[in-house]
Amino acid sequence: EAGVTQFPSHSVIEKGQTVTLRCDPISGHDNLYWYRRVMGKEIKFLLHFVKESKQDESGMPNNRFLAERTGGTYSTLKVQPAELEDSGVYFCASSQEGTLYYEQYFGPGTRLTVT
Amino acid sequence: DAKTTQPPSMDCAEGRAANLPCNHSTISGNEYVYWYRQIHSQGPQYIIHGLKNNETNEMASLIITEDRKSSTLILPHATLRDTAVYYCIVRGPLYYNQGGKLIFGQGTELSVKP
Repeated sequence: EAGVTQFPSHSVIEKGQTVTLRCDPISGHDNLYWYRRVMGKEIKFLLHFVKESKQDESGMPNNRFLAERTGGTYSTLKVQPAELEDSGVYFCASSQEGTLYYEQYFGPGTRLTVT
Repeated sequence: DAKTTQPPSMDCAEGRAANLPCNHSTISGNEYVYWYRQIHSQGPQYIIHGLKNNETNEMASLIITEDRKSSTLILPHATLRDTAVYYCIVRGPLYYNQGGKLIFGQGTELSVKP
C-alpha cells in the first residue's frame, strides 16, 4: 500500500511568487490534514478535510493560503503571494473515516524556501 | 497550545530501554494519549496510543498512570535508528470539539548512543 505522497519535495521561490503544494493521501482515507513547521517552531496544524469539505481550518494563518480538495482525493495548498515567513516544511497527513480514535499517516513533507 | 510537557532531551545507550516521560495533568476523560516521533527529515510517525490501560505494540509500550495525569513511552531495546524527536499528544475523539487535529509541543529529542 502506498503511503502519503507530497510534491514537490523541495521548492525555492521568490517573495511575491505563487507556489502550489500537492498531497496524495492513502487510498480510501477520507480525512486529510495539512500541517507546517516554520523554522525553530513546533509543528502546527493548518486545516482538516473530510472528503472534499473543510472540517476545520482554524490553523490557516491568513488569506494568502488556499487549500482545496476537489473530488475528495488529492489536495493542494496554494500560497499566493508567498512571504519570507512562509518558509518551512509543510506536511500532509491522512486517516480513515469512521473511527473515533485512529492514527494519522504523514507524508515526507515539502520544504518551502521563500527568498 | 499543547496540553503536555516533556523533557527537551534524553540520551539512551543502544540496546537499553528508553523511557520517555510525559505530563498531561489537564487531560479530560475522553481524551487519549498519543505518541508520535519524527526522525530527521521525515514526516511524523505514529507509535502508539492509549486511554487508561497500558498498551503494547511492536514498536513500544505505553504506561499511563492510574490518575491519567502522566504517561511513559518505553522503547524496550533502543537502536540507533530510534534517534528522533518524540511527541506526546493528548487528543479527543475525531468529531468532538475539533478533536481531529494533532497539537504538537516541543517533544523530547532522544539520542541513542552506541
